[in-house]
Amino acid sequence: DTAVSQTPKYLVTQMGNDKSIKCEQNLGHDTMYWYKQDSKKFLKIMFSYNNKELIINETVPNRFSPKSPDKAHLNLHINSLELGDSAVYFCASSQDMLAGDPSTDTQYFGPGTRLTVL
Amino acid sequence: GDSVTQMEGPVTLSEEAFLTINCTYTATGYPSLFWYVQYPGEGLQLLLKATKADDKGSNKGFEATYRKETTSFHLEKGSVQVSDSAVYFCALSDQEGTSYDKVIFGPGTSLSVIP
Repeated sequence: DTAVSQTPKYLVTQMGNDKSIKCEQNLGHDTMYWYKQDSKKFLKIMFSYNNKELIINETVPNRFSPKSPDKAHLNLHINSLELGDSAVYFCASSQDMLAGDPSTDTQYFGPGTRLTVL
Repeated sequence: GDSVTQMEGPVTLSEEAFLTINCTYTATGYPSLFWYVQYPGEGLQLLLKATKADDKGSNKGFEATYRKETTSFHLEKGSVQVSDSAVYFCALSDQEGTSYDKVIFGPGTSLSVIP
């Protein structure tokens, strides 16, 4: 059984379009994340949700909007796609992110969604 | 703020060679330290971790020791295999004065092992 799954695996679209990437985890974790990985493999955190509450919102254009309908799902919607949005987007989850308990900080990553904007 | 620095890649080694990937960090608190590995076309997965000073994490022949005095967590393996070819990320988890831990990843080091 897949622990963290993402759909779609590949997404090719035109500039200006709106698209969504879905993420689901079946680990019973409280915290979920979205990361962007560029062509040089640099990993940048975008958002973090804990129990459906937004905890981390890094400097990301407001064209990116995360939505967490329940704690097992964290979807990413992107409006008005730009060429620079082309990257691999990873969803991840951890048991929680409460301070003081490092045993719950291990992150479990999905397989990634490769977004190509033409 | 907290940060993680890794040696720049790519690193190319022959099979059975000794591997060291350096990682140093800066942190305001007492972070936990991690190594994640990303095989081609896949997401990251935890390789090993250490939660306090002098702890040694180990897995699949890889080891790393949490050195508080040098703020380092270098990854080592005595004899690499072609299947170890991947990108390796050092990371830390720290409270940073809030109620939540924040995880920070290093830039990654690409390793290629040739037969």
